[in-house]
Amino acid sequence: SAVISQKPSRDICQRGTSLTIQCQVDSQVTMMFWYRQQPGQSLTLIATANQGSEATYESGFVIDKFPISRPNLTFSTLTVSNMSPEDSSIYLCSAAGSAEANGYTFGSGTRLTVV
Amino acid sequence: GQQLNQSPQSMFIQEGEDVSMNCTSSSIFNTWLWYKQDPGEGPVLLIALYKAGELTSNGRLTAQFGITRKDSFLNISASIPSDVGIYFCAGHGSWGKLQFGAGTQVVVTP
Repeated sequence: SAVISQKPSRDICQRGTSLTIQCQVDSQVTMMFWYRQQPGQSLTLIATANQGSEATYESGFVIDKFPISRPNLTFSTLTVSNMSPEDSSIYLCSAAGSAEANGYTFGSGTRLTVV
Repeated sequence: GQQLNQSPQSMFIQEGEDVSMNCTSSSIFNTWLWYKQDPGEGPVLLIALYKAGELTSNGRLTAQFGITRKDSFLNISASIPSDVGIYFCAGHGSWGKLQFGAGTQVVVTP
């Protein structure tokens, strides 16, 4: 299965600023996703990153707040914009190569604290 | 939307005991996945299930895809201290987005 490198691994940011998280996969993958995991909680899907087109966002998440890029089949970025303390969370990138390619692989996550 | 119910929420067991957890869905799933997450890490895939009734093992782990396609269980036999962590079930009804269970926190005491 694919190996994902995600960075930064953690950051502490001032409210009102923006942070861009990068996700690099070691092979071309069909699907890439961004999740949020709040402390002690499960994973919530933010959006599907579509190669060469606008991301598909889940209910409660909007492009202005979480702009996503996916310029090719191995790389994606998620930006958390105009941050507030409520955005403090773990953000995870996930990738899947094909319909039954041993499930979905996750990056190690970005632990974001907004102060 | 689809609802995934995972239980139990937490388990405190002694080393050597077996662990069992399950997930049920309000809708039919085509794929069930079981992940383990250690602190500060992303979820790591343990077992993937693709067919109703499928029973798959990975070392001391055994998971089954329920015949109704709405449930799955994960068993861990002879638990060891490194089994500590949060276990998540996940699934999807068609190729694409995963739904995650709330997680089962496993604590193993010597």
